[in-house]
Amino acid sequence: QKEVEQDPGPLSVPEGAIVSLNCTYSNSAFQYFMWYRQYSRKGPELLMYTYSSGNKEDGRFTAQVDKSSKYISLFIRDSQPSDSATYLCAMRRSGNTGKLIFGQGTTLQVKP
Amino acid sequence: DTEVTQTPKHLVMGMTNKKSLKCEQHMGHRAMYWYKQKAKKPPELMFVYSYEKLSINESVPSRFSPECPNSSLLNLHLHALQPEDSALYLCASSQEGAGNQPQHFGDGTRLSIL
Repeated sequence: QKEVEQDPGPLSVPEGAIVSLNCTYSNSAFQYFMWYRQYSRKGPELLMYTYSSGNKEDGRFTAQVDKSSKYISLFIRDSQPSDSATYLCAMRRSGNTGKLIFGQGTTLQVKP
Repeated sequence: DTEVTQTPKHLVMGMTNKKSLKCEQHMGHRAMYWYKQKAKKPPELMFVYSYEKLSINESVPSRFSPECPNSSLLNLHLHALQPEDSALYLCASSQEGAGNQPQHFGDGTRLSIL
């Protein structure tokens, strides 16, 4: 079993839809959670960074962490064609080790 | 544009060549990372440098040799690579000391081994 599970999709939605992307994890030692967006032929771009249970909002993006269920989500409101990309969840333990554990990535297509 | 700059953007090399990948950041970050990413897969950690010292080597073959000349620069020296080493090589950096800061990635070097 992988430490982090993420449905690879692809996920196709119409423009303006609310998108929900999810990851589950098995290791309760994970304390820090990230969402990255990766466009084709580009590096991952940090979208959201959270370290506690609850919600964090930034513009059209909301990150949600439920440590009791070992479940994290990213919501995108009013999705745009420019949101079409691969979304990677990532997480790490506390402490100074730099190792991120990534999900497989979900490919999202927003159709005009 | 990202704040982590990688050069070259593309590299094609033969299996007997020696080449180097370069990464530079000016965010004052003291932790720097090399990742390898194959198509439709997530990045895989290769090396971590903390305060210019190698702190993690994820059992990477010796044909990959990292170097951190100073706090802003990270190199990856390549020698006698195999076709399966063709991939996107990503550099990342983060603040260190607090130990829990997110990593910021460059756009990578796309490497093809002939």
